[in-house]
Amino acid sequence: EAGVAQSPRYKIIEKRQSVAFWCNPISGHATLYWYQQILGQGPKLLIQFQNNGVVDDSQLPKDRFSAERLKGVDSTLKIQPAKLEDSAVYLCASSLAADRGGTGELFFGEGSRLTVL
Amino acid sequence: AQSVTQLGSHVSVSEGALVLLRCNYSSSVPPYLFWYVQYPNQGLQLLLKYTSAATLVKGINGFEAEFKKSETSFHLTKPSAHMSDAAEYFCAVSDRRAGNMLTFGGGTRLMVKP
Repeated sequence: EAGVAQSPRYKIIEKRQSVAFWCNPISGHATLYWYQQILGQGPKLLIQFQNNGVVDDSQLPKDRFSAERLKGVDSTLKIQPAKLEDSAVYLCASSLAADRGGTGELFFGEGSRLTVL
Repeated sequence: AQSVTQLGSHVSVSEGALVLLRCNYSSSVPPYLFWYVQYPNQGLQLLLKYTSAATLVKGINGFEAEFKKSETSFHLTKPSAHMSDAAEYFCAVSDRRAGNMLTFGGGTRLMVKP
């Protein structure tokens, strides 16, 4: 079974530039998450999708971050304009929906490491 | 709101010694609890999970954790550390009222000395 795919693995940009990250979840997983992991910290949820609808985006800095999940499969996370403090690893994860027996186990991709100079 | 506290951001043990990583949680409903491991430049991998069945949960690589409701704890243990166990470990709690959203602790970096 293929895992969660993310790209690019690494990205270096200058502040005020834009960047986009892509995620392809495990087939059949209705729930998709984007987490931000700053060096030395635990992952922080940015946004959670159920199919193509947003369940929780309360911690997403909406003035610069946006995310979409067209057709309820792939997802993109965009940052525009980037700030120095956005340097982090952006982790995508997917899981079975709770109403399909999901118990909260998340399956993570390898992450996209962003460096903002 | 749920929260997770991991005591000790760094833990160092000798190879062959007991590993104990501490996790305490706060939840207003019976929780699901998880331990994930992260190796350098990789994503998070599930070690084990508690979903209201047996309170002693066994995971991969010889790790286990015990759910203690009275202490709101879910500490991770391994009887004998191996060099390959060196990694970052994250405890997490799932909010079943919010679509199983996971809240993570700050992580504990385990170092294993030869």
